Amino acid sequence: EDQVTQSPEALRLQEGESSSLNCSYTVSGLRGLFWYRQDPGKGPEFLFTLYSAGEEKEKERLKATLTKKESFLHITAPKPEDSATYLCAVQERSWGKLQFGAGTQVVVTP
Amino acid sequence: GAGVSQSPRYKVAKRGQDVALRCDPISGHVSLFWYQQALGQGPEFLTYFQNEAQLDKSGLPSDRFFAERPEGSVSTLKIQRTQQEDSAVYLCASSLGTGGEQPQHFGDGTRLSIL
Repeated sequence: EDQVTQSPEALRLQEGESSSLNCSYTVSGLRGLFWYRQDPGKGPEFLFTLYSAGEEKEKERLKATLTKKESFLHITAPKPEDSATYLCAVQERSWGKLQFGAGTQVVVTP
Repeated sequence: GAGVSQSPRYKVAKRGQDVALRCDPISGHVSLFWYQQALGQGPEFLTYFQNEAQLDKSGLPSDRFFAERPEGSVSTLKIQRTQQEDSAVYLCASSLGTGGEQPQHFGDGTRLSIL
C-alpha cells in the first residue's frame, strides 16, 4: 500500500538551531511532492512543490529537497514564528489528489 | 475574501442528526477537494470535483456522506445520520487547474463534534 511517513513526529528546537524534517514515500508514480505548514485551528498553507529527484526549493529559512524515496525540509536558524506542524503530501494522479503524512510538529523556543 | 471560505467553523450535533458543511472556493478555481482530518493526523482525501462534475468519491467513508457542487462553485458536504466517528475537521481545498500542477489552497475547516 502506498504510504507517506514523516519523522520525527515532534521536534523541539532552540531559536537558531537548524534541523531537518524527513518525508519518505512509497508510491508507484510520483507526480509531485508538496510541503504545507499548518498552524493550530487553521488549514494547511502551501509552501513548496517538488517534481523530480534533485530538485530544491527555498523560501526564507526553509529549503525543501527531493530524492527518489524521500524529501527533506531543512529549517535554517529557526525563529519562534516557525513553530507549526509541517505536512508532506504526495500526488499520484494527474488531477491532484493528495496523500498526506501525519506531520511533524515543530516548536521553536526563544 | 481572497481565500477558501468554510462555514460553519464549528458544528456540534447529536448522534443521528444530519449536518451540512459549506465551502466557498477561490473564485475561478476549477478543482475542489474535500478532506477529513482527525486529531494529530494528516488530512485524508474524501472527494474531488472538476467544475460541477464529481470525478472521484472514493474516499467517502460510507453512503451517509454526500457532496455536491451544482453550479461549479460553492460545494456542500452532507453527512446523514451522524455517528461519533464522524467527529473530525473537514477541510475544503481548491486549485486553479485540473492537472494537479497548481497547488491546492485550503480553507480553515469545519470542526465537527458529534455528541
